[in-house]
Amino acid sequence: EAGVTQFPSHSVIEKGQTVTLRCDPISGHDNLYWYRRVMGKEIKFLLHFVKESKQDESGMPNNRFLAERTGGTYSTLKVQPAELEDSGVYFCASSHGLAGRSNEQFFGPGTRLTVL
Amino acid sequence: AQSVAQPEDQVNVAEGNPLTVKCTYSVSGNPYLFWYVQYPNRGLQFLLKYITGDNLVKGSYGFEAEFNKSQTSFHLKKPSALVSDSALYFCAVRDIRGTAGGRGGADGLTFGKGTHLIIQP
Repeated sequence: EAGVTQFPSHSVIEKGQTVTLRCDPISGHDNLYWYRRVMGKEIKFLLHFVKESKQDESGMPNNRFLAERTGGTYSTLKVQPAELEDSGVYFCASSHGLAGRSNEQFFGPGTRLTVL
Repeated sequence: AQSVAQPEDQVNVAEGNPLTVKCTYSVSGNPYLFWYVQYPNRGLQFLLKYITGDNLVKGSYGFEAEFNKSQTSFHLKKPSALVSDSALYFCAVRDIRGTAGGRGGADGLTFGKGTHLIIQP
């Protein structure tokens, strides 16, 4: 079974540019999560999809961040325009559908974003 | 609000010795607790979780963790460390009922800062 995949693995952009990160969850997983780890700090929750619906986006830092999950399969996270403080590692995770909050989440390798 | 504390940035253990990576948590209700490990250039890998029942939970690669409700702790342990256990370890918590108000918000895991575990040959 393929794991969670993320693309690209690294992205270096200049302040003000736009970047789009992609996550492909494990096939059949309805839950998809985005997290971010800024250098040396905790991994922070950004948002949660159930299928194509945003269940919880309480962790999104501001309106420069837009996440989508059209068709309930892969998800994209767009940052526009990027700022220096957006640099970090963006993780995607997925979990099985309806078993609830006790389910472990399976993480992708992350996308390292550097904003210059 | 929920939080996790991992008080040690780094833990050094000689190969073959027992290891402990500490974690304490704070949630308003009852917790689901998780340990993840991250090897270099890899994603987080699930090790074990506490849901309910027996306070001692066994997981992958010989790791175990003990849930202590009175001390709000969930320390990760292994009886005999291997050099290959060297990695970054994260403790995470999730309130079983979500945030107050019934919205079910804060669906994500709340992580600690991580602890670097270094096993010396």
